[in-house]
Amino acid sequence: AQTVTQSQPEMSVQEAETVTLSCTYDTSESDYYLFWYKQPPSRQMILVIRQEAYKQQNATENRFSVNFQKAAKSFSLKISDSQLGDAAMYFCAYRSAAGGSQGNLIFGKGTKLSVKP
Amino acid sequence: DAMVIQNPRYQVTQFGKPVTLSCSQTLNHNVMYWYQQKSSQAPKLLFHYYDKDFNNEADTPDNFQSRRPNTSFCFLDIRSPGLGDAAMYLCATSRDLAGVHKSGEQYFGPGTRLTVT
Repeated sequence: AQTVTQSQPEMSVQEAETVTLSCTYDTSESDYYLFWYKQPPSRQMILVIRQEAYKQQNATENRFSVNFQKAAKSFSLKISDSQLGDAAMYFCAYRSAAGGSQGNLIFGKGTKLSVKP
Repeated sequence: DAMVIQNPRYQVTQFGKPVTLSCSQTLNHNVMYWYQQKSSQAPKLLFHYYDKDFNNEADTPDNFQSRRPNTSFCFLDIRSPGLGDAAMYLCATSRDLAGVHKSGEQYFGPGTRLTVT
């Protein structure tokens, strides 16, 4: 069974600086998808960034980028120029490309990010 | 704007009194999911519908049921809520299940926070 591990329960960053959130996963599959979701306090979960395992190029979305290391099974999220609105719980998630229940999202336990003004 | 809507946002019910949570979507997505999220934890998938096909997770208690009368709506019924069922319930949708070159990324609603007294 696949697992997702986020080893940093909490992180803190100064406004305007850069922070990296770690995520590792375990799978025997070659075709899958990885996601970072953001869940602000009392607000809904939104997708931050997505990475397809078959793509070698790291995904980027404005200030958010990932470092995808397939061989190492690592998928870290870098937030550049951190803003107060980035404060949230961040979940790393894995989804198999296989059909049926194997394609369910598997979440890590989350990393709570605080941004200091 | 296309979105996932959950009503009510806050629900209080009594121990053992049946309660229904509602989710609707304007995205015209094929798949709808229900997750349970307890404080400071990752969401836990309860079940999902792919169109009218219902898929229950193996460890979802029988106390939890779901209905999807049409593409837009999905309901979560808790037949006899216990104190341990107090949680945030998240509805999510995706266009399709994950597959080859289909990430099946999920879009979440704002959640319903259930309190059991």
